[in-house]
Amino acid sequence: EIVMTQSPATLSVSPGERATLSCRASQSVSSNLAWYQQKPGQAPRLLIYGASTRATGIPARFSGSGSGTEFTLTISSLQSEDFAVYSCQQYNNWPPAFGQGTKVEIK
Amino acid sequence: EVQLVESGGGLVQPGGSLRLSCAASGFTFSSYDMHWVRQATGKGLEWVSAIGTAGDTYYPGSVKGRFTISRENAKNSLYLEMNSLRAGDTAVYYCARGDSSSYWYFDLWGRGTLVTVSS
Repeated sequence: EIVMTQSPATLSVSPGERATLSCRASQSVSSNLAWYQQKPGQAPRLLIYGASTRATGIPARFSGSGSGTEFTLTISSLQSEDFAVYSCQQYNNWPPAFGQGTKVEIK
Repeated sequence: EVQLVESGGGLVQPGGSLRLSCAASGFTFSSYDMHWVRQATGKGLEWVSAIGTAGDTYYPGSVKGRFTISRENAKNSLYLEMNSLRAGDTAVYYCARGDSSSYWYFDLWGRGTLVTVSS
């Protein structure tokens, strides 16, 4: 089974600054990688699929990159509503697997 | 409104059973693969089960033989029957919709229902 590892566990960023989150797969997942945003008490929200395609309604400040085993989610200018937990997920191999999440908090 | 709403969570003793439900609305439920994903407190998300549009089912080893996923398209409903529950099954359980092209990422989620397994 593929193991997904995210870093850092917590990222402290000031509003308006750029945030860069990393996700590594234990073996190649091609571009079959998704990113999700989670806020307490809310449904998780799909941000990115296919490693770099924004889901419907996702602002352009969110971008994804990478392929194979190394992936990055970048939030270009953090807004107050972006402070949340972000998780990556591979869907190239069965079973689908998630990373443990990166919490983006206000610095 | 396009949404998923879970119900049926609660406190259950080890070895007990529980049935979760997920009500779908705002989309053609029968056309999508559907999934259950769980998250224990402080842990990452964990995929629990899937059911295809043809009723084919899939489980990881951690729940195979104990959990059963089913769907009732006429009622736009998804279910998860959980038996022989263990403390390690304690989590928030989310209902999630698979992508329209049957890739296994999840483009719509519910808010979840909490299952606590404890004596």
